[in-house]
Amino acid sequence: QKEVEQDPGPLSVPEGAIVSLNCTYSNSAFQYFMWYRQYSRKGPELLMYTYSSGNKEDGRFTAQVDKSSKYISLFIRDSQPSDSATYLCAIPPPIQGAQKLVFGQGTRLTINP
Amino acid sequence: DSGVTQTPKHLITATGQRVTLRCSPRSGDLSVYWYQQSLDQGLQFLIQYYNGEERAKGNILERFSAQQFPDLHSELNLSSLELGDSALYFCASSIQGAGGQETQYFGPGTRLLVL
Repeated sequence: QKEVEQDPGPLSVPEGAIVSLNCTYSNSAFQYFMWYRQYSRKGPELLMYTYSSGNKEDGRFTAQVDKSSKYISLFIRDSQPSDSATYLCAIPPPIQGAQKLVFGQGTRLTINP
Repeated sequence: DSGVTQTPKHLITATGQRVTLRCSPRSGDLSVYWYQQSLDQGLQFLIQYYNGEERAKGNILERFSAQQFPDLHSELNLSSLELGDSALYFCASSIQGAGGQETQYFGPGTRLLVL
C-alpha cells in the first residue's frame, strides 16, 4: 500500500464549478498536510498546508483534513481557467531532523471556459 | 519564480552514459532536496542535503549520487543511464529542512531523456 494515494484523474469541469480533490494516507503519525500546484512544464509550488483536523481557508481554496479517516481534501470555489494544473497532495513523514515529502500521484485538473 | 535555479533545462543522452544536474538553492536556504518525477511513479524523493551533509535518503539508486558544495549549490550525478531514468528531476530548497511545515521551493526541473 502506498503511503499517500491520490486519484490521478484527469478531472475536467466548467468554469465556476466547485472542485474537490482528495487524497488518502496510511500512516496515522502524519501531522502536516500540504497541497502543491504544478503548472505544465513548471516545478510544484506550495498552495496550502494544514496541521490539524478541520478546515483551513485561503481565498477560493479550502483545505480539509479528517485524521480519523486519514483523508485530506482541497476544495476550489468559483474555479477559473487559470486553476488548470496538476494538484499534488504532499505529506512530510515525522522524521526527526529531516524533511522528505511524500507526494500523491497528482490530479490533473482542467477548467473549461 | 521560486528563486531555485536548475541547469540544464533539457538533457538528451544515450544509455550507459553519465550526466550531472546542477541546482542552486534560494539565497539563505541551507537544505537542498532532489526529486524524480516520472509518469508511472509520480514525484519521488531521492535525497536531502543540509549545509553540505547528507540528511535523508529516499529510493535513490546506487547509480545515482549527489553532493552539496560549500557554496550550497548541489549536483546530482546519474551514471550508467537506462531508458527508465528518463524523467523530470526537480531540486527544491528550504531554510533548514528539519521537519514540520517548512516550505520547500521547487526549481523548474531538468527534463532528462535517455535514448
